[in-house]
Amino acid sequence: DGGITQSPKYLFRKEGQNVTLSCEQNLNHDAMYWYRQDPGQGLRLIYYSQIVNDFQKGDIAEGYSVSREKKESFPLTVTSAQKNPTAFYLCATKTGAQDYGYTFGSGTRLTVV
Amino acid sequence: GESVGLHLPTLSVQEGDNSIINCAYSNSASDYFIWYKQESGKGPQFIIDIRSNMDKRQGQRVTVLLNKTVKHLSLQIAATQPGDSAVYFCAETSGSARQLTFGSGTQLTVLP
Repeated sequence: DGGITQSPKYLFRKEGQNVTLSCEQNLNHDAMYWYRQDPGQGLRLIYYSQIVNDFQKGDIAEGYSVSREKKESFPLTVTSAQKNPTAFYLCATKTGAQDYGYTFGSGTRLTVV
Repeated sequence: GESVGLHLPTLSVQEGDNSIINCAYSNSASDYFIWYKQESGKGPQFIIDIRSNMDKRQGQRVTVLLNKTVKHLSLQIAATQPGDSAVYFCAETSGSARQLTFGSGTQLTVLP
């Protein structure tokens, strides 16, 4: 998937637990994004980061947290405050170029059990 | 906020026929558009893009048409193959942040 590694591929969470989804890239891209995808729906932006040590909330940031301590890594934590976390989570990166699409990872499917 | 939407959630075509997937966008400031293909359980893959100063762009078996007057985008796939079965998303961007806004997707099914 173009140098983006998301892990794990499948993740199960118990009620009340925090879980962290990993996203690592070796593309040397500046910007990184987390999207949530529900069945039959499009992609909704959770958080994004355009530079190390800086990140911004997206459209549905409540119940999620992120960090960007290294350019290569942008982990997403799904906290217990997220009441409906079951979804497919996609990480994406983008170069600093003006017009260029995102490169996506292969996704993590999170299920609450 | 602005949104990107698709006319039809599903599309079924016979193998070998041409497919046309449509997308309407509402942000008149959008100046760059992308089509993505997403196979089941995988991340979206870039297919083709087009800038707002163009109205047509061709790739291998795919053509994107942009009609800025009616804010409409379409993806044409020639000689559709079973491997083309997937969900297709359009996305648009504008402004200095260049963040993409995605449509809800169209499920394309290729019938034998």
